[in-house]
Order: sequence, then C-alpha cells, then structure tokens
Amino acid sequence: DAKTTQPTSMDCAEGRAANLPCNHSTISGNEYVYWYRQIHSQGPQYIIHGLKNNETNEMASLIITEDRKSSTLILPHATLRDTAVYYCIVPDPNFGNEKLTFGTGTRLTIIP
Amino acid sequence: DSGVTQTPKHLITATGQRVTLRCSPRSGDLSVYWYQQSLDQGLQFLIQYYNGEERAKGNILERFSAQQFPDLHSELNLSSLELGDSALYFCASSGLGDTGELFFGEGSRLTVL
Repeated sequence: DAKTTQPTSMDCAEGRAANLPCNHSTISGNEYVYWYRQIHSQGPQYIIHGLKNNETNEMASLIITEDRKSSTLILPHATLRDTAVYYCIVPDPNFGNEKLTFGTGTRLTIIP
Repeated sequence: DSGVTQTPKHLITATGQRVTLRCSPRSGDLSVYWYQQSLDQGLQFLIQYYNGEERAKGNILERFSAQQFPDLHSELNLSSLELGDSALYFCASSGLGDTGELFFGEGSRLTVL
C-alpha cells in the first residue's frame, strides 16, 4: 500500500470546520484515497473516498491536490460526536480496493 | 447499525484454549474480512473471504483459521491462545463492486487470562 502520513492528533472547536490532512506522496495513478473513522472501540466507519476529483457526501468533503500527493478531509461543522480516530488509507490495487491497511490515524478531539 | 453482526461481544478465556468468533455479513454481501485490533498495534488485516473462497491473507497467525460458509457467515477460529491474542476482533463485509467501502461490525473483545 502507498504509505500515508497523518498528524497524530488534532483539536477542533465545536461548530467549526475540521480539516484533517494526509500525505500520500508515493501514490500511483490508479490508487484511491479512502477515509474511515473509529469512534472509541467501535467498528471503523467508512466516510468517503476519491481518485482525483474532489468528493462530497453527507458526512464530509475530500479535497485531493492536483498532483494527488496529499488530501484533506473536511468535516464542515464538527460536533462532539465527531471525536474519533480518522484514518487515511491508500489500498494496494493489486489486492483490490478492499484490503485496507489502517495506520495510526489522527485522533481528532472536538472541543465544546 | 452497519448490518454486520458479530458474536460474542465479549469473551474471556484462558491461555491454551480455543475460541470461535462468528460474523454475519450484511444481507447480500459476498465478502467478509477479519481484522485484529490490539492496544499496541492498531487495526491489522487478517484475512478476506469472497463467496466462500479465501481471497486475501494478511498477518494471520498459523494458530488462527477462518472460513466462510455457504450462507456467507464466517467464523474465525483462534487456538492455543496466548496472552498477546487479547484484542478486539472486527469483521467487515462488502458488496458487489470494488468500491472499497467496508461495513464493520461492533467487534468481539477477547481477553485471554
């Protein structure tokens, strides 16, 4: 899998936008970027994924740079329930986009 | 609720014992994945099954085995348990199409004493 680098932890005020960065400088042209989150000891939850275009769904937006070497997950109006560990994942397409390797992620804390 | 059901939720056993963890995927999902999450190692991919066949293998120990049955439920068997096997074991499923979206269950917490 292409290696990803994320900050270990971040804080964000409730109601503000949370911007979570991820570096994936070794990504190749056909590798997707996936984001999952894990709320304390619960099963990980899929958030969003993208290839080269920006993506938005009901949970978040994903901004991928033009060179695809980095991306940012944006939670537009963070709530206390968004406190979780966020994982940025670039799966190895040789194994399909389903063999996900979770790194250490970013621990996001939403501050009241 | 992801639609993935795992049992048991909690399990306490002794070293040397054998346990079986069960996973029922979302209705219609053909793929099942097993992950292990221990305190010091994060989420580790163990194994994937697709429609009854093993499809991908990760860092699964020889003492561990899994299978997927014709009704698509899966079981993870852990034998000769060691203290270090204490962890959360997650099952996930996915449907047709290579979208990469996995649906995880709530996990089975195994404690080996």
